[in-house]
Amino acid sequence: QLHLQESGPGLVKPSETLSLTCTVSGDSMSSDYYFWTWVRQPPGKGLEWVGNVYHKGGAWYNTSLKSRLTVSIDTSMSQFSLRLRSVTAADTAVYYCVTHRRFADYIDYWGRGILVTVSS
Amino acid sequence: QSALTQPPSASGSPGQSVTISCTGTNSDIGGFNFVSWYQQHPGKVPKLIIYEVTKRPSGVPDRFSGSKSGNTASLTVSGLQAEDEADYYCNSYAGDNNLIFGGGTKLTVL
Repeated sequence: QLHLQESGPGLVKPSETLSLTCTVSGDSMSSDYYFWTWVRQPPGKGLEWVGNVYHKGGAWYNTSLKSRLTVSIDTSMSQFSLRLRSVTAADTAVYYCVTHRRFADYIDYWGRGILVTVSS
Repeated sequence: QSALTQPPSASGSPGQSVTISCTGTNSDIGGFNFVSWYQQHPGKVPKLIIYEVTKRPSGVPDRFSGSKSGNTASLTVSGLQAEDEADYYCNSYAGDNNLIFGGGTKLTVL
């Protein structure tokens, strides 16, 4: 049973960088079964796949965010991270860290989510 | 990457069946049998209810079923219950380790 917990600032100023970390417990991040993934949900709106990272290397991003986004992993710390540069109010959302089950391509574990507001 | 297309709302009376559609393209739904559905109650974390088009995780009632034809996937909720009132999101594998969500459907139990 995996447990994921997001952490980071709840308020970011426009044009600055949004940085979040997800701490994983309950299983090794070196598992071949998972992509470590971020999903976001603007207030009152739908879910959006943001991007993911694999422990053996490789990261894949939503094309609409690709130029501003970096997702990275540190298996020694059991963490993976998101950095989104040059944020605007449109990036205000609840950010969830989740597991994307490889070979079946569904999301099975979710963090509780963290609301990040972009505002001056 | 445009979102998969879902109707914004659906409704049914207790005991009835309701079907929610999710339309994509040959690059996502039509190209892979990796469609999943998530249920989200207000203020809660989404919950997986269907994966690989038709499979149900342990603990999900068999009132929930999924199907796919061409570029369109569907979720059917049979024997509607008050607790089924929630937002429902479809999701598909879109190649290159990407996922794509639908815009969501708000299901109301009348």
